Amino acid sequence: GAVVSQHPSWVICKSGTSVKIECRSLDFQATTMFWYRQFPKQSLMLMATSNEGSKATYEQGVEKDKFLINHASLTLSTLTVTSAHPEDSSFYICSANGGTSYEQYFGPGTRLTVT
Amino acid sequence: GQQLNQSPQSMFIQEGEDVSMNCTSSSIFNTWLWYKQDPGEGPVLLIALYKAGELTSNGRLTAQFGITRKDSFLNISASIPSDVGIYFCAGGFVNNDMRFGAGTRLTVKP
Repeated sequence: GAVVSQHPSWVICKSGTSVKIECRSLDFQATTMFWYRQFPKQSLMLMATSNEGSKATYEQGVEKDKFLINHASLTLSTLTVTSAHPEDSSFYICSANGGTSYEQYFGPGTRLTVT
Repeated sequence: GQQLNQSPQSMFIQEGEDVSMNCTSSSIFNTWLWYKQDPGEGPVLLIALYKAGELTSNGRLTAQFGITRKDSFLNISASIPSDVGIYFCAGGFVNNDMRFGAGTRLTVKP
């Protein structure tokens, strides 16, 4: 139980284009989903928290117009990196919890490379 | 920003040795979670702790929720090569807000 998937697992895009990453909870309803960014050999940096049907709450320093988050259903959240630049290259990981527990279950991550 | 202090930052041990790592905070948490991340993958939940003083095991892993609710430790006994990875602690607040430690990178030499 508590399986979270991400798609794609890796993506290469050209500078200036937009990329959408999907996060799905496969066997539970995720009232809250989280998006993290991780640079090599560093910890998880929380970017934003999204609750189903409402606007995402972004962490300080994260541009909400650049990192668009949509949590349209209890099993799907998407992160769109708009007008991507090479410095956006990173490992993006989502997590989800069912609302009654603190336990976050992570997806396998998406490696984004912007050329 | 980070509110947890996780140590050590990295460990290099011989196979068979025991491992201990811990997290401390100036804030009181309602829960402590320990995760392991393998290279190129998302973190996997190892142990969840919900009560001060709670001691929980998962195979060779043992974790404890400190009495003060401001710390937790994770022990790995008789380490094996597949224990290699990054271990993260996470502390949870009452509103389900979680904060992660910086991670402990474990290397196990055969």
